Amino acid sequence: ETGVTQSPTHLIKTRGQQVTLRCSSQSGHNTVSWYQQALGQGPQFIFQYYREEENGRGNFPPRFSGLQFPNYSSELNVNALELDDSALYLCASSLLDGTDTQYFGPGTRLTVL
Amino acid sequence: GQQVMQIPQYQHVQEGEDFTTYCNSSTTLSNIQWYKQRPGGHPVFLIQLVKSGEVKKQKRLTFQFGEAKKNSSLHITATQTTDVGTYFCAGAWAGNMLTFGGGTRLMVKP
Repeated sequence: ETGVTQSPTHLIKTRGQQVTLRCSSQSGHNTVSWYQQALGQGPQFIFQYYREEENGRGNFPPRFSGLQFPNYSSELNVNALELDDSALYLCASSLLDGTDTQYFGPGTRLTVL
Repeated sequence: GQQVMQIPQYQHVQEGEDFTTYCNSSTTLSNIQWYKQRPGGHPVFLIQLVKSGEVKKQKRLTFQFGEAKKNSSLHITATQTTDVGTYFCAGAWAGNMLTFGGGTRLMVKP
């Protein structure tokens, strides 16, 4: 177990709705990254937060946004959901100390109908 | 943008046979990491390679990083049914924002 938790485990939404996914980092980790994993594919980097600031972003539209809180927990928000947003959403916590090792949570399975 | 290609996409082996998956980047990496994802699970960190030409072993698993830091491989000796899953390489260029390969799904026949 990595100590990274995510909620909810599963979620079903309809097109056009908004969703918030949550992540609790491993104790002591100051960095959280979010990834989207479509079925049968590798995880795709969405963005990373370091000490409450966005530290990097992948090729995702602005309707994907995030927050990191002082306790280093994090949220991923997706507005105007599209069918293609159906995926497993993974958060990974780490320390920006040069080791780069990321510890993944169990993920949230989002289905958009 | 930076891309990481991984082959093969699938591999069926008989239990006891060896297995290798290969990872290639078009540009020099800062480091490469390997993850295993069991069906229905999430990626689990296996190892990180940082140095040019680095070779690391974990029991039956051998990981290599190429001299140019553009390619890597994972070799499993004498596969077991517990090795079943998808193996991902993930490259890092700056910081620890990872670009994952497409993964190699390993299936082992008992």
